[in-house]
Amino acid sequence: EAGVAQSPRYKIIEKRQSVAFWCNPISGHATLYWYQQILGQGPKLLIQFQNNGVVDDSQLPKDRFSAERLKGVDSTLKIQPAKLEDSAVYLCASSSRGDGNEQFFGPGTRLTVL
Amino acid sequence: QKEVEQDPGPLSVPEGAIVSLNCTYSNSAFQYFMWYRQYSRKGPELLMYTYSSGNKEDGRFTAQVDKSSKYISLFIRDSQPSDSATYLCAIRGKLIFGQGTTLQVKP
Repeated sequence: EAGVAQSPRYKIIEKRQSVAFWCNPISGHATLYWYQQILGQGPKLLIQFQNNGVVDDSQLPKDRFSAERLKGVDSTLKIQPAKLEDSAVYLCASSSRGDGNEQFFGPGTRLTVL
Repeated sequence: QKEVEQDPGPLSVPEGAIVSLNCTYSNSAFQYFMWYRQYSRKGPELLMYTYSSGNKEDGRFTAQVDKSSKYISLFIRDSQPSDSATYLCAIRGKLIFGQGTTLQVKP
């Protein structure tokens, strides 16, 4: 079974630029999550999708972050404009159910904002 | 007060040692507790989960929950260099992670 795929793996941008991350979840998984993991911290949930609908985006900084999951499969997370404090690893995860049961994580995208 | 607190370490032990990793949580309503392992430059992977109080054993790993003191633990017996990673405790539901403890097992 293929795992969660993410791209790019690394991205370096300057502040105020925009950036987008892509995630392809495990086939058949209805629930998709985006997390932000700042160095030395645990992952923090940004947004949760159930199929192509948003379940929870309470911790998503909506003035600069946006996410979509068209057709209930792949998802993109965008930051515009980026700030220095956005430097982090952005993790995508998927699960077969949305109740917090086992989530399978991708390798993450490491973003550096200069 | 953070919902889940975890000592970030780092923790360094010799090969074969027994390792104890711990977390505390604030909300007594939490019922499901999980441990994830994260290798460097990888995403977290689920190691174990427990429900309510008690112990759960899986090979060299034992997860323990003490709801009276809001304390969760992960014990690793006969630790191996391949166990070197960051261990994250988490509360199931909207997954709430602790800070993670970085463990290094020296050969």
